[in-house]
Amino acid sequence: AQKITQTQPGMFVQEKEAVTLDCTYDTSDPSYGLFWYKQPSSGEMIFLIYQGSYDQQNATEGRYSLNFQKARKSANLVISASQLGDSAMYFCAMRISGSARQLTFGSGTQLTVLP
Amino acid sequence: DGGITQSPKYLFRKEGQNVTLSCEQNLNHDAMYWYRQDPGQGLRLIYYSQIVNDFQKGDIAEGYSVSREKKESFPLTVTSAQKNPTAFYLCASHRMGGMNTEAFFGQGTRLTVV
Repeated sequence: AQKITQTQPGMFVQEKEAVTLDCTYDTSDPSYGLFWYKQPSSGEMIFLIYQGSYDQQNATEGRYSLNFQKARKSANLVISASQLGDSAMYFCAMRISGSARQLTFGSGTQLTVLP
Repeated sequence: DGGITQSPKYLFRKEGQNVTLSCEQNLNHDAMYWYRQDPGQGLRLIYYSQIVNDFQKGDIAEGYSVSREKKESFPLTVTSAQKNPTAFYLCASHRMGGMNTEAFFGQGTRLTVV
């Protein structure tokens, strides 16, 4: 069975600084995808970035980048130049091949950006 | 605008009552999902459906039921058999595709037992 672990329940970062949110995963399937979602206090889930297990390069989307270390089974999210609007809950999730395409989520990290 | 609509936003249930949470999407997605979110536990899968008139149990299906009579609709019923239903419920959908297919989520329904 696959598992996602996020060990940081809460993180603080100063505005304009970079922050790294940790995510480790466990699966025996060689083909998988890793996602990061942002959940503001309003509740909706916002897709941020995707990394495939066979992708050679780390994914980037604007201020978001994914530090993918396959051997360590980690997929950390890096947010550069933090903004006050980045304060939210962040979830790492995984999808494996052969499944019904459902996502398995970690427990999340609450990020607070300080002015 | 295309998207997923969940209703109601807030729902209160008395002990022993069944309640139904609505989820409608106009994205023409085949796959739809229901997740439950409790504080500090992330999202857990309740039920999913990849095609009309077919659905599968997720990790925590006990006390819940679903139907998929139309492609765009996937209502979730929280039955009286669900002993601890107070939680935030999220509906999601995506098109059938590759591993990188993005899942879209609704705004959620917050259910409280009174």
